Amino acid sequence: KAGVTQTPRYLIKTRGQQVTLSCSPISGHRSVSWYQQTPGQGLQFLFEYFSETQRNKGNFPGRFSGRQFSNSRSEMNVSTLELGDSALYLCASSQLWEASGANVLTFGAGSRLTVL
Amino acid sequence: AQTVTQSQPEMSVQEAETVTLSCTYDTSENNYYLFWYKQPPSRQMILVIRQEAYKQQNATENRFSVNFQKAAKSFSLKISDSQLGDTAMYFCAFREGGSQGNLIFGKGTKLSVKP
Repeated sequence: KAGVTQTPRYLIKTRGQQVTLSCSPISGHRSVSWYQQTPGQGLQFLFEYFSETQRNKGNFPGRFSGRQFSNSRSEMNVSTLELGDSALYLCASSQLWEASGANVLTFGAGSRLTVL
Repeated sequence: AQTVTQSQPEMSVQEAETVTLSCTYDTSENNYYLFWYKQPPSRQMILVIRQEAYKQQNATENRFSVNFQKAAKSFSLKISDSQLGDTAMYFCAFREGGSQGNLIFGKGTKLSVKP
């Protein structure tokens, strides 16, 4: 069974640009979550999607957005990039077959974004 | 708001020895789940172990076990017979029981296993 696939793995952008990151969950997983990882702030929750609907959102500005497609693939977009957006962006999927906190997240390898 | 604290930024252990990583958390909830994730230098986060708060028995997974002290809000990870492949960042994480949303992570502990 293929794992969670994130593309691209690495990218470099300049301030003011926008970026789109993609995440393909494990087959059969319908929930996709996104996290930002930085040395200073650690791992912070961005948002979670289930059946194309955003179910939960972290404390990030509106420049950060996402969506989920009917095949459960998800994208996140960051507009008007700032230097502080440089981070590892991790995507995770879960089956969500039980509506509880017990769902285990399976993470992708991440997309490393550098903003110059 | 729930918080997760890992007080040991870095630790090291000799191969084959035992090491314990600390984690404390703060919550007013009674139903929740706790996790330890491992992030090797290759970056992919891997689930190590999971504990349901309603279970008194400590979870174990091969060489990995936890010491869950609900009253003290403590959730430490013990790694027995440490191996070089255990070298990684270890993150403690919390999620409310009824939540279908996010994990709250600690800042992590960088573990180095030395030959």
